[in-house]
Amino acid sequence: EIVMTQSPDTLSVSPGERATVSCRASQSVGSNLVWYQQKPGQSPRLLMYGASTRATDVPARFSGSGSGTDFTLTISSLQSEDFAVYYCQQYSRWPPWTFGQGTRVEIK
Amino acid sequence: EVQLVESGGSVVKPEGSLTLSCAASGFTFSKAWMNWVRQTPGKGLEWVGRIKRKNEGGATDYAAPVRGRFTISRDDSKNTLYLQMNSLKVEDTAVYYCTTDCSASGCYGDGVFGPWGQGTLVIVSS
Repeated sequence: EIVMTQSPDTLSVSPGERATVSCRASQSVGSNLVWYQQKPGQSPRLLMYGASTRATDVPARFSGSGSGTDFTLTISSLQSEDFAVYYCQQYSRWPPWTFGQGTRVEIK
Repeated sequence: EVQLVESGGSVVKPEGSLTLSCAASGFTFSKAWMNWVRQTPGKGLEWVGRIKRKNEGGATDYAAPVRGRFTISRDDSKNTLYLQMNSLKVEDTAVYYCTTDCSASGCYGDGVFGPWGQGTLVIVSS
């Protein structure tokens, strides 16, 4: 099973600043990496797939990069609606599909 | 608009059984591979299992912790996905989501979960 590890667990950022969330896979997953956003009381929302392709209606301030074992989600200028928990997930080696533990992006 | 609506969550005793449902609309359900994913405060998001299309035999696959206890099925005539859970354990306590890699405009590919339901809470407790 591929283990996904995110860092940091919590990120404190001021509105308008850049936020960077990292995700590391225990073995190569190529570019088969997804990012989700989850707000309190809501289900996860697909943000990015293929490591760097934005899903429908995702603002351009979200970008993804990386391949192999190291990936990054960057939010260029945090808006109030971006404060949430972010999860990465690999879809390279199955079973099972595996998720990171989540990174909470909170207001500084 | 794609909608996935789970139901059936409840409080159940250890070793009990429960069936969850997920009503789908807004996309061609019969063409979609459907998945269940669960979420707990302690273990986060965990893929539970999936079912392929009927014309692929409706094959199912499960995560190791639930294999042999959980069964996924589908009724394409009702656009509904099911999760039959038997021999429930305390550690099965979670919010259960149904999800798929397909949206109204197409499919992202196996393992990329686009639409999610709102989830249904299962509590296993004596």
